[in-house]
Amino acid sequence: RKEVEQDPGPFNVPEGATVAFNCTYSNSASQSFFWYRQDCRKEPKLLMSVYSSGNEDGRFTAQLNRASQYISLLIRDSKLSDSATYLCVVHQAGTALIFGKGTTLSVSS
Amino acid sequence: GAGVSQSPSNKVTEKGKDVELRCDPISGHTALYWYRQSLGQGLEFLIYFQGNSAPDKSGLPSDRFSAERTGGSVSTLTIQRTQQEDSAVYLCASSLVGGGAGIQYFGAGTRLSVL
Repeated sequence: RKEVEQDPGPFNVPEGATVAFNCTYSNSASQSFFWYRQDCRKEPKLLMSVYSSGNEDGRFTAQLNRASQYISLLIRDSKLSDSATYLCVVHQAGTALIFGKGTTLSVSS
Repeated sequence: GAGVSQSPSNKVTEKGKDVELRCDPISGHTALYWYRQSLGQGLEFLIYFQGNSAPDKSGLPSDRFSAERTGGSVSTLTIQRTQQEDSAVYLCASSLVGGGAGIQYFGAGTRLSVL
């Protein structure tokens, strides 16, 4: 079983749609969780950290369920500029970040 | 301020040749990471440097791969006797705090093509 699993998509949605991405991780000792965004042929950039209580940053909401080892990202009112690959990232003490393969989002007008 | 800088941005080499990839982290960042990303794949961890500690080499795929970090700053990833399966984008990241707890900032990567 892969350490971090994501639905690869692609998710094709119209502008204004709400879209949700899911991610599961295998190591219950994981301590920190992130969503990174990667544009085509560009480097990954941090989108947001994910906290147990859930957190929101504008149109983006991240949730963490430690019991189920499940992370989600919700994007409301999708914009064309949201088109990218979204990487679920997990960290456990003493190791480097572990990246999922990413979920591709394409927002069309 | 400057971000993470990698060079070259593109490298084409012949099978069997050695290559060196360079990473200049953000000034003051103590942690430096190398990853590679093959087409359609996620990021694969290669090696991690934290301050003056021994590097975590657990992700290096073979003994043809090695990396150094001189003076706690610039790092060089060396691939000896390159193979076609080494073709990938090699990404470097640095963070202020080590152990993966800090936000990692990535360079634009070196796209390596082995013919």
